[in-house]
Amino acid sequence: EIVLTQSPGTLSLSPGERATLSCRASQSVSSSYLAWYQQKPGQAPRLLIYGASSRATGIPDRFSGSGSGTDFTLTISRLEPEDFAVYYCQQYGSSPSFGGGTKVEIK
Amino acid sequence: EVQLVQSGAEVKKPGESLKISCKGSGYSFTSYWIGWVRQMPGKGLEWMGIIYPGDSDTRYSPSFQGQVTISADKSISTAYLQWSSLKASDTAMYYCAADYGGAFDIWGQGTMVTVSS
Repeated sequence: EIVLTQSPGTLSLSPGERATLSCRASQSVSSSYLAWYQQKPGQAPRLLIYGASSRATGIPDRFSGSGSGTDFTLTISRLEPEDFAVYYCQQYGSSPSFGGGTKVEIK
Repeated sequence: EVQLVQSGAEVKKPGESLKISCKGSGYSFTSYWIGWVRQMPGKGLEWMGIIYPGDSDTRYSPSFQGQVTISADKSISTAYLQWSSLKASDTAMYYCAADYGGAFDIWGQGTMVTVSS
């Protein structure tokens, strides 16, 4: 089973700043099967990025994904107030798994 | 509109059985994988397993193998997650999600399961 480790656990930033979230896999993940989700309190997760770098429908272009192999990154270029949330990476190959999450909080 | 609608919140006692549902609409239910995800109170997302409703091919996360049963009834476009004997540690929010347009892009609203004596 592939273990995904996200860092940092919490990111304290101000609106307008850039957020860089990391997801590291215990073994190589096909880039076709790496996704990022956003979850706000009391809501279901929302898909942001799939295939490591493709934005899902309706996702603003301030969200971008990159990486390959075992190291992946989600970047939010300029934080908007609605972006403060928890973010999860997921590999969705033959035996999917989630990372532990990164909370992006207001500084 | 493509959507998944889950059954309502449940309160059960330890040892009881339970089956929760996830109904798809607005798309070809049999053509896309549906997964189940657990989120314990205040915790992260855990992948439980996945089913392809077209042929009921089912795969479980090792952590949940033998603990739950995933099934689907394609005649009514509904996937299920069931327990034969609930434990207090099964208290959680459970989500279904469909791999429709790339990764799991369609999510149900979640079903809260509370197990308490």
